[in-house]
Order: sequence, then structure tokens, then C-alpha cells
Amino acid sequence: GQQLNQSPQSMFIQEGEDVSMNCTSSSIFNTWLWYKQDPGEGPVLLIALYKAGELTSNGRLTAQFGITRKDSFLNISASIPSDVGIYFCAGTSTQGGSEKLVFGKGTKLTVNP
Amino acid sequence: NAGVMQNPRHLVRRRGQEARLRCSPMKGHSHVYWYRQLPEEGLKFMVYLQKENIIDESGMPKERFSAEFPKEGPSILRIQQVVRGDSAAYFCASSHYMGQTQETQYFGPGTRLLVL
Repeated sequence: GQQLNQSPQSMFIQEGEDVSMNCTSSSIFNTWLWYKQDPGEGPVLLIALYKAGELTSNGRLTAQFGITRKDSFLNISASIPSDVGIYFCAGTSTQGGSEKLVFGKGTKLTVNP
Repeated sequence: NAGVMQNPRHLVRRRGQEARLRCSPMKGHSHVYWYRQLPEEGLKFMVYLQKENIIDESGMPKERFSAEFPKEGPSILRIQQVVRGDSAAYFCASSHYMGQTQETQYFGPGTRLLVL
């Protein structure tokens, strides 16, 4: 089945530092999404990317949809303590019309004040 | 503007009992998805439904699991004769399909199932 390889698995940074995480796949995805999950909660959408090469920002977050459609990265600039959480990449590909999401295993971010 | 609602938030069942998880999609959304998340893992797709139709159940275990999304009321994920391995967080997501372009899926807070 389709898989997304997300790295790094975890990150420990100081407040104010920039963060970068990425996802790669051996198969093509038509949409890339980045979600954040806080403990005990559901994933919250951060950024959605619909076109190859697309670069999108949401405040201090920037994400890009790779040209090959097989990768995406998420950058967080000037991290703050509330950035703590687990970040998931997810992708969709057309398979008979179903738009199920395939998720990476997540990047656990810890920000030290 | 209510988001995706799920209840209960926490559910404890003994082995062999039935678990019923409910999901009310966002207003105006007609597509519902169920995902399962094990500790320290990403979400895994289970089933995709539209009103009164199962579109894709390729991620559902063949036995004991079923899902429905009736014309009226919430979507239900039903697990019969639960086993300890069913313990997980179950998330529902909804979206609004717009022709060729599907809007993003928005997730509920999840139901945490613990099987004793």
C-alpha cells in the first residue's frame, strides 16, 4: 500500500529557532496536507497544497508541494512554546474516486522556553 | 459554526462487548471518513461514506467492524465483540465534495476506546 515517510521522528529545539520537517513517498500524491495534533485531540489542518510546486504560507508556517508530487516539507519559523505537538503530513491520490488520506507517522516537536 | 462532533470522547468496554462510536459531520458536509490511530502512530484510513452509501471500506477489518451514514442522524462506527487490540483512538473527518475538487477533511476530537 501507499506509505509516507516522515522525518524527523522527533525534534527538540529552543524557543525562537526555525524548524523543518518533510515527507517523501515512492508514489504520486495529488494533494498534500499538514496537520497538527495536540494530546487528546484530533488533527487540526495547518496547510493544504493542491498543485505541484505550490508554496503556501500560514503565519509562521510555510509548506511546499514537491515538483515530482512525491514529497512535501513544512517549515516553522521563530518557534514558540505553543508550537509543541505532533505534526503529520498526509496525502491523497485518486483511487476510484475515494479521497482517503494516507498519513505519515508524525514528527513530535518539543520547544524549550 | 460547529465543527465535527464525536461522542463519546472516551469509551471503556470489556472484551466481547459492542462499541458504538458516533460522528456528526460539519454542517453542509456530506462525506464522512473514519480513521484509527494507535499510540505513537499516524492515522490509518478505515472507511469513507456518503449519505446512505459506503464508498470505500478498504481499510476496515473484514469481521466485527461496520459503518453507516444514514440519511438522518450521525455516522456510526460499530465494533462487535471487541478485543484488546481494538483499543485505539478513532477519528471521524468530514468534507464537502465540490465537483472535481474535494475540499479538505476536517477532523473531530476522536473517541478513545479502551478494551479491558
